[in-house]
Amino acid sequence: GIQVEQSPPDLILQEGANSTLRCNFSDSVNNLQWFHQNPWGQLINLFYIPSGTKQNGRLSATTVATERYSLLYISSSQTTDSGVYFCAVEGDAGGTSYGKLTFGQGTILTVHP
Amino acid sequence: EPEVTQTPSHQVTQMGQEVILRCVPISNHLYFYWYRQILGQKVEFLVSFYNNEISEKSEIFDDQFSVERPDGSNFTLKIRSTKLEDSAMYFCATGTREQYFGPGTRLTVT
Repeated sequence: GIQVEQSPPDLILQEGANSTLRCNFSDSVNNLQWFHQNPWGQLINLFYIPSGTKQNGRLSATTVATERYSLLYISSSQTTDSGVYFCAVEGDAGGTSYGKLTFGQGTILTVHP
Repeated sequence: EPEVTQTPSHQVTQMGQEVILRCVPISNHLYFYWYRQILGQKVEFLVSFYNNEISEKSEIFDDQFSVERPDGSNFTLKIRSTKLEDSAMYFCATGTREQYFGPGTRLTVT
């Protein structure tokens, strides 16, 4: 099946710093989503971004599908940004069905005040 | 904004007992999924469900697991005889291309 690798595994920042999280995947994808898992364990949708660039406030994401990677940018980080960031992809198996998401191992982000 | 809901938020059960985890999908979504996350690990796919039948399942989803949509609104995951290693957070997700996740049920098997 499709492989998803995220880097770095851990990231420690001071409040106000910027960061870039990377997600590499091994095959063509129909779907790519970024999630933030908060301290209560909830998975918060950040972006649905199988290709292109999107921005939402201090967060933006870019997926270059042809080169099989996606980047999540966090600018002016805040302590509330702390948590685990997951990238998840749905491999392109052809057809019109909507399949499973395969998650990466995540990046643990800690933002200190 | 519509959201996926799950009950209970936390369930503690003894090994060998049956548990049923419930999910209310976003209305008009047709695809439903269950995932699980063992503490400290990544999220893993269990099963997908479309048109009242399983469309895909992982090797984790063995005969101890079953899913159904009993009343056209709820979507349930049943574990027939729980094991210690079933302790995990279980997430329901619904959608078509983009998947929306519920808040999860934390299952603790003692």
